[in-house]
Amino acid sequence: DTEVTQTPKHLVMGMTNKKSLKCEQHMGHRAMYWYKQKAKKPPELMFVYSYEKLSINESVPSRFSPECPNSSLLNLHLHALQPEDSALYLCASSLLHGGGRSTDTQYFGPGTRLTVL
Amino acid sequence: AQKVTQAQTEISVVEKEDVTLDCVYETRDTTYYLFWYKQPPSGELVFLIRRNSFDEQNEISGRYSWNFQKSTSSFNFTITASQVVDSAVYFCALTNFGNEKLTFGTGTRLTIIP
Repeated sequence: DTEVTQTPKHLVMGMTNKKSLKCEQHMGHRAMYWYKQKAKKPPELMFVYSYEKLSINESVPSRFSPECPNSSLLNLHLHALQPEDSALYLCASSLLHGGGRSTDTQYFGPGTRLTVL
Repeated sequence: AQKVTQAQTEISVVEKEDVTLDCVYETRDTTYYLFWYKQPPSGELVFLIRRNSFDEQNEISGRYSWNFQKSTSSFNFTITASQVVDSAVYFCALTNFGNEKLTFGTGTRLTIIP
């Protein structure tokens, strides 16, 4: 079963709000990812966690704060976002990460459509 | 540096026609993996196939087939007897040994007309 779940499906928030996106997988994967996708563009990598430690941060603004409480769960905490942060946020997981191996195949969740007013 | 080019931005075909989506890649590495993902309107990226650089055998899965040619650095995807459910954006992607990131192409939006 290659299932990654994300909640909520949709989120509307004001620029002063604090909210969180949640991602979960029960495939025993040890790497989890956050991507941001704007309309008609490919996904852009934001963060990578490997064995629950932050491995890659693609110079993402600090108003986005990732957290990996355990190997199955990944959160993205949002605070003081801007309207240009409105996008589809995708979570993915892979068995392992790094080295371009077959175990790095990423499986994606359905995404959270975020609108910042 | 690595790069993936999907020159076809949008394609429309009538249902039951065959359609080929092109993917051309650039990489200096000899060991790499190529992927195709499907993104329907719902938003989820669905993994379709992974191919490693040492395996040039073409692959067929039902109505889907993939043609990997190292000589032209291409990894093309053909849908036979297209169906409306095939309507989606399709992304080709690349990762190579030592590179920790997936490099995506810009995607091809495929519309199947009933």
